[in-house]
Amino acid sequence: NAGVTQTPKFQVLKTGQSMTLQCAQDMNHEYMSWYRQDPGMGLRLIHYSVGAGITDQGEVPNGYNVSRSTTEDFPLRLLSAAPSQTSVYFCASSKLDRDGGELFFGEGSRLTVL
Amino acid sequence: GESVGLHLPTLSVQEGDNSIINCAYSNSASDYFIWYKQESGKGPQFIIDIRSNMDKRQGQRVTVLLNKTVKHLSLQIAATQPGDSAVYFCAENTGGYNKLIFGAGTRLAVHP
Repeated sequence: NAGVTQTPKFQVLKTGQSMTLQCAQDMNHEYMSWYRQDPGMGLRLIHYSVGAGITDQGEVPNGYNVSRSTTEDFPLRLLSAAPSQTSVYFCASSKLDRDGGELFFGEGSRLTVL
Repeated sequence: GESVGLHLPTLSVQEGDNSIINCAYSNSASDYFIWYKQESGKGPQFIIDIRSNMDKRQGQRVTVLLNKTVKHLSLQIAATQPGDSAVYFCAENTGGYNKLIFGAGTRLAVHP
């Protein structure tokens, strides 16, 4: 069982370049989300989705776009990368539960923007 | 990853001792709380959760205590082992589904 799979694991970009971080889960989870993690800080929510075709913003959405065309996939797009977006990005998924529930995380994608 | 965890508070314990990691949460309306463990280079891993209608919950070697009066959460690890060395995060659910707000984390270092 693969769980939550993120690609790539490492990426270096130049300022202004665009890229997509991929996230796929095979647990049939309706809820998916993206977090970024910076040194000395906890994870901060970027965007989330409660099902195919539905996305919404988290705490730090600026500079990122998402879409959810299928239940399995939730890509995160950086349209014009900035050095402030250097971070480790985590995708997570869970069953859809209004009261919360276990959130399963991927292994992370480390992005460096020069 | 390797750079995550710099400047975090560190709790150092001897192998076999009990560990207590504390967390203050921010939103009095939060109704669900989770502890995650993150090993170097890996994603956070669920440890234990607790809902706001409880004040204590026990798992295997771990206990979570919730004090809603002072908005405080703690994670107790019994008989700490070297494999428990990691960064530990508390998280609160502030607004339904799993829109979790994470704390900054505490590094647990277990010494033989």
